[in-house]
Amino acid sequence: GENVEQHPSTLSVQEGDSAVIKCTYSDSASNYFPWYKQELGKRPQLIIDIRSNVGEKKDQRIAVTLNKTAKHFSLHITETQPEDSAVYFCAALINRGYSTLTFGKGTMLLVSP
Amino acid sequence: NAGVTQTPKFRVLKTGQSMTLLCAQDMNHEYMYWYRQDPGMGLRLIHYSVGEGTTAKGEVPDGYNVSRLKKQNFLLGLESAAPSQTSVYFCASRRGLANLVEQYFGPGTRLTVT
Repeated sequence: GENVEQHPSTLSVQEGDSAVIKCTYSDSASNYFPWYKQELGKRPQLIIDIRSNVGEKKDQRIAVTLNKTAKHFSLHITETQPEDSAVYFCAALINRGYSTLTFGKGTMLLVSP
Repeated sequence: NAGVTQTPKFRVLKTGQSMTLLCAQDMNHEYMYWYRQDPGMGLRLIHYSVGEGTTAKGEVPDGYNVSRLKKQNFLLGLESAAPSQTSVYFCASRRGLANLVEQYFGPGTRLTVT
């Protein structure tokens, strides 16, 4: 089955800095890669996703890049703010049949004012 | 739309007791999932369903059973709770179309087994 590795497990930055979280996946058939943000005590919420036919996608201060050859994808957050502090999860999906999302173990991002 | 809801929000069980967690969605989603979340372990899939009357095992199914008698509901049962089942449980759902794969999560159920 699919295996998703996520690094780092914790990341501390100063407000205004950029943050980068990286994930690797094992199955080259994976073709959908979402990122979820989970605030303390809340549910995971989708913040951005990318499909395998696209190399980069941006949405305001967040962006995701995908390198299919190397089988890794990254989340980039620019101009970080304290409200970006949360746990971020990457995931991968082989979008055929009844396949399911495989999640990374998460990255706790702490943004200090 | 309420989206995905879960009942109850919190529960404390003694070892050996049983309980059922209810997940309901009003988005007419075909697929539904149960995950457990433990510190440092991410989200691990317990069971899932791709339609009414069908269920399948995920990564960590032991000790749990599920049923999907109605399209909008997905039940997770613990027949004999163990302390190792102390966790936060999340339900999720999505459409069954290849181009609509976004999963929506419920608010979670925090279960403690003593």
